[in-house]
Amino acid sequence: GAGVSQSPSNKVTEKGKDVELRCDPISGHTALYWYRQRLGQGLEFLIYFQGNSAPDKSGLPSDRFSAERTGESVSTLTIQRTQQEDSAVYLCASSLAATGAHYGYTFGSGTRLTVV
Amino acid sequence: KNEVEQSPQNLTAQEGEFITINCSYSVGISALHWLQQHPGGGIVSLFMLSSGKKKHGRLIATINIQEKHSSLHITASHPRDSAVYICAVSLDSNYQLIWGAGTKLIIKP
Repeated sequence: GAGVSQSPSNKVTEKGKDVELRCDPISGHTALYWYRQRLGQGLEFLIYFQGNSAPDKSGLPSDRFSAERTGESVSTLTIQRTQQEDSAVYLCASSLAATGAHYGYTFGSGTRLTVV
Repeated sequence: KNEVEQSPQNLTAQEGEFITINCSYSVGISALHWLQQHPGGGIVSLFMLSSGKKKHGRLIATINIQEKHSSLHITASHPRDSAVYICAVSLDSNYQLIWGAGTKLIIKP
């Protein structure tokens, strides 16, 4: 597609339920990133995928969080047993190359997750 | 001390004013990024710089590698420029971005 597509754009869920967020990167972008932004705060790195290499999961805040990506296509971020502190905007970005330093990043519009 | 510092944190100006937002960093970088985030919206990449100056419409970004400083300028500001402007740097060594805290800009008509 022309841009990075995220779905759903908004999600309200009850505490304790599982949620799945989707990111469809720009075709051909090998690098994909997930970030979290809590209200009024900066972006937190969650996870990074680069091609078929093992992902960097160092930013995932707990074992309730997991993410998958098949090859260089769609990625899903799953949050199990959601808690109120998981409420945030979850942003996905993709880039042509590993660092993004030479090609820049394209961000999706984000998924606003509210846990009630 | 944060590795990427932005100033000011908040800025309110009248339509038409020339706006400057500053970013200083303390690490070795391969590139610096300026991004824009509208309320409730996603993030748009404005510029990626490794040296010199770039211009796009009314937006100008400059970087001084020796001084580890970058500025984002907006000429003839307009209320639609109201947003949070974020400075982020790509490190020499890896793929992660280090983010500034953002500058919340409000342009009043």
